[in-house]
Amino acid sequence: QKEVEQNSGPLSVPEGAIASLNCTYSDRGSQSFFWYRQYSGKSPELIMSIYSNGDKEDGRFTAQLNKASQYVSLLIRDSQPSDSATYLCAVKPHRTGGGNKLTFGTGTQLKVEL
Amino acid sequence: DAGVTQSPTHLIKTRGQQVTLRCSPKSGHDTVSWYQQALGQGPQFIFQYYEEEERQRGNFPDRFSGHQFPNYSSELNVNALLLGDSALYLCASSPQDGETQYFGPGTRLLVL
Repeated sequence: QKEVEQNSGPLSVPEGAIASLNCTYSDRGSQSFFWYRQYSGKSPELIMSIYSNGDKEDGRFTAQLNKASQYVSLLIRDSQPSDSATYLCAVKPHRTGGGNKLTFGTGTQLKVEL
Repeated sequence: DAGVTQSPTHLIKTRGQQVTLRCSPKSGHDTVSWYQQALGQGPQFIFQYYEEEERQRGNFPDRFSGHQFPNYSSELNVNALLLGDSALYLCASSPQDGETQYFGPGTRLLVL
């Protein structure tokens, strides 16, 4: 079982629709979760972080966390063609001592169609 | 406020050679992490530096080594390059008491 799993896609949604991106993780002790966006040929850009169960909203983006189900998701409302990118889920595994290594999924490619 | 910077942007090497990649963290950040991203994959953690010491290491061979300088900048060294080392190398910085990591633009390494 991979530590962080994402559907590679591509996920195609029409412009203006809601895009739903999902991620599961294996380390039950994980406490910190992040979504990054990566355009082709570019580096990852932080979208949101979430640490507590429930929803966290930032503009058109909503992150959802369910630690009992080991599941984190990202919703993008009113999807725009500029949202077309690969979305990476990252998890900080539970670890005693120092260090804040992130474990990434393989990413989900999102295509927003006109 | 400058973000994370990396140099060079692109690099071509041949098998067996050695390479050094450089990173300057975001202003106010003192922790630097390095990741390797192969095509179509997510970034893989190589190691993390704080206070000029390697604080955490991923599953990479000893051919991968690093260094952090007093000004918090960092270098990644890879010896005896293999074809499979071809990837995008990403540097990320964070404040010591923070968990959010911000990535630089990356160095794209091609090993021939």
